[in-house]
Amino acid sequence: AQKITQTQPGMFVQEKEAVTLDCTYDTSDQSYGLFWYKQPSSGEMIFLIYQGSYDEQNATEGRYSLNFQKARKSANLVISASQLGDSAMYFCAMREVNSGYSTLTFGKGTMLLVSP
Amino acid sequence: KAGVTQTPRYLIKTRGQQVTLSCSPISGHRSVSWYQQTPGQGLQFLFEYFSETQRNKGNFPGRFSGRQFSNSRSEMNVSTLELGDSALYLCASSSASGPYNEQFFGPGTRLTVL
Repeated sequence: AQKITQTQPGMFVQEKEAVTLDCTYDTSDQSYGLFWYKQPSSGEMIFLIYQGSYDEQNATEGRYSLNFQKARKSANLVISASQLGDSAMYFCAMREVNSGYSTLTFGKGTMLLVSP
Repeated sequence: KAGVTQTPRYLIKTRGQQVTLSCSPISGHRSVSWYQQTPGQGLQFLFEYFSETQRNKGNFPGRFSGRQFSNSRSEMNVSTLELGDSALYLCASSSASGPYNEQFFGPGTRLTVL
């Protein structure tokens, strides 16, 4: 079974609009971390935001927020006021405590295109 | 603070050759992880090193190996290259090994096998 599912292969949004990128995860661990990364065409993975499974508040970092719904096992990324520079691949990833290591399991990604 | 650096950025090899990729983590970071990214398989974990010890290994054949030096720099080696090894190889570092530490990625090495 997929541990991280991103059901949207591609998303289109107009500049200045908000967009939500979906992510659902599967784990039997009680403790885990959820991450979102952005990958522009240059290839580098840029860390955006982190949510711990025990965090009661949704994480926010500037224009990025994570809509964490633990019972539904979803961790959607919300980008407010999209900018042209937001066009990139976005990956949701999870790290499980039971593994004890730093290993990240990634979803397949969502390509976001922001138009003027 | 300098980010994660990877060398070389681009590499072209032929089948059967071997290749060594290098990764220098952020200063003070002791954990280095390697990932392979291909269009078909996406991002897959290769291995993680912490304080010169391999702590975890992904599901890759023995042709893929790595090591970490005392200064935390890491190398990965792929022997007897196959066409399917063409990929972007990403290195990530974090300050400690464990689930709560965010990983910072380098720009990657793009390997093409002809």
